[in-house]
Amino acid sequence: NAGVTQTPKFQVLKTGQSMTLQCAQDMNHNSMYWYRQDPGMGLRLIYYSASEGTTDKGEVPNGYNVSRLNKREFSLRLESAAPSQTSVYFCASRREGDISNYGYTFGSGTRLTVV
Amino acid sequence: QQQVKQSPQSLIVQKGGISIINCAYENTAFDYFPWYQQFPGKGPALLIAIRPDVSEKKEGRFTISFNKSAKQFSLHIMDSQPGDSATYFCAASRTSGTYKYIFGTGTRLKVLA
Repeated sequence: NAGVTQTPKFQVLKTGQSMTLQCAQDMNHNSMYWYRQDPGMGLRLIYYSASEGTTDKGEVPNGYNVSRLNKREFSLRLESAAPSQTSVYFCASRREGDISNYGYTFGSGTRLTVV
Repeated sequence: QQQVKQSPQSLIVQKGGISIINCAYENTAFDYFPWYQQFPGKGPALLIAIRPDVSEKKEGRFTISFNKSAKQFSLHIMDSQPGDSATYFCAASRTSGTYKYIFGTGTRLKVLA
């Protein structure tokens, strides 16, 4: 089915390890987003990409880097994981310029634990 | 200016009752207000959304009421069902440029059978 695919679904890291969260969408969407979800704090934007080749910081970018590899893929990298990065990470996408639908499509999330 | 305040944090409603979740925003430039529904272990899914040119939008049992002057909007779930038990997030955004949602903190709804 068309949508946003995130891998892995679960991951446990040790403090200081690095990893990359993968996200791919097959809806030909222009914009892609990475959010983190923490209890009582809703979803907070980490980074976003308006189009292939562009990325911008969101509300909580520290400790993360992103790559918009092509129109389909937007990855999130943790260079040196910290316990404060324990969270559920969601990737989302949207077709820019579609005035009939401003909604995001979310992936199913990556649950990351840093010990 | 960028916050979206959501209440209550949790809500318990009897089957058949009305669930009401409220949100308030600060930035008057916001012009798109969606509600997302999230079941455990899943990503949020768009439920219903409103633009500020209307005061109410209804889709089935779900209604958004919007008060532009008060900068508030709310989600009403009529005839609430156990299957509606989920976490609900409001959000606000601009529709010009590359807009980004500002989410509320979420409301965990439980509908008792």
